[in-house]
Amino acid sequence: AQSVTQPDIHITVSEGASLELRCNYSYGATPYLFWYVQSPGQGLQLLLKYFSGDTLVQGIKGFEAEFKRSQSSFNLRKPSVHWSDAAEYFCAVGAYSGGSNYKLTFGKGTLLTVNP
Amino acid sequence: EAGVTQFPSHSVIEKGQTVTLRCDPISGHDNLYWYRRVMGKEIKFLLHFVKESKQDESGMPNNRFLAERTGGTYSTLKVQPAELEDSGVYFCASSQYRYYMDTEAFFGQGTRLTVV
Repeated sequence: AQSVTQPDIHITVSEGASLELRCNYSYGATPYLFWYVQSPGQGLQLLLKYFSGDTLVQGIKGFEAEFKRSQSSFNLRKPSVHWSDAAEYFCAVGAYSGGSNYKLTFGKGTLLTVNP
Repeated sequence: EAGVTQFPSHSVIEKGQTVTLRCDPISGHDNLYWYRRVMGKEIKFLLHFVKESKQDESGMPNNRFLAERTGGTYSTLKVQPAELEDSGVYFCASSQYRYYMDTEAFFGQGTRLTVV
């Protein structure tokens, strides 16, 4: 079965600093990988996704992520963090199980605090 | 276009009572998913509808949980009777096409359920 590990529960950065959120996955085949963000009072919003092709994917709000198969990682990055980026970030892997049953498996999330 | 809407946004009930959560997916989306996040844990899959049929309910915790999707439109998730461990945030998501990995899943803002 697939699994996702986000080793950092809480990260604090200063506004304008760079950001990297770590994500490691376990899955036996080519994964479908996602990053979602949940701002306070909001639902989960898709930041970016990786299915195949270029291993560096660009997303919304200036985020990018790099898929590294050798490291089973899909880390999220942003060169300069804005105060509005304060939120909780979830990495997820999409996979089939039991034939045609598809679902997302999420990590525990990383809470990002941005200091002024 | 309206997004995925969930009602209520918050619910506080006593142990042993019944609660019904509702999800209105994006119009025309055949796939509807329920996920749950218990405090401190990861977001976990509960079940998946394709139109009005249950495609996968492997994540439903026990028979106190009953999900329905009337006419392939909105869905309800009933918990009867509620227990303390049912507390958490319940998310609904919908996507358009049968093969989920090719399309984005849109999430609602979640229903925060507290059982006291």
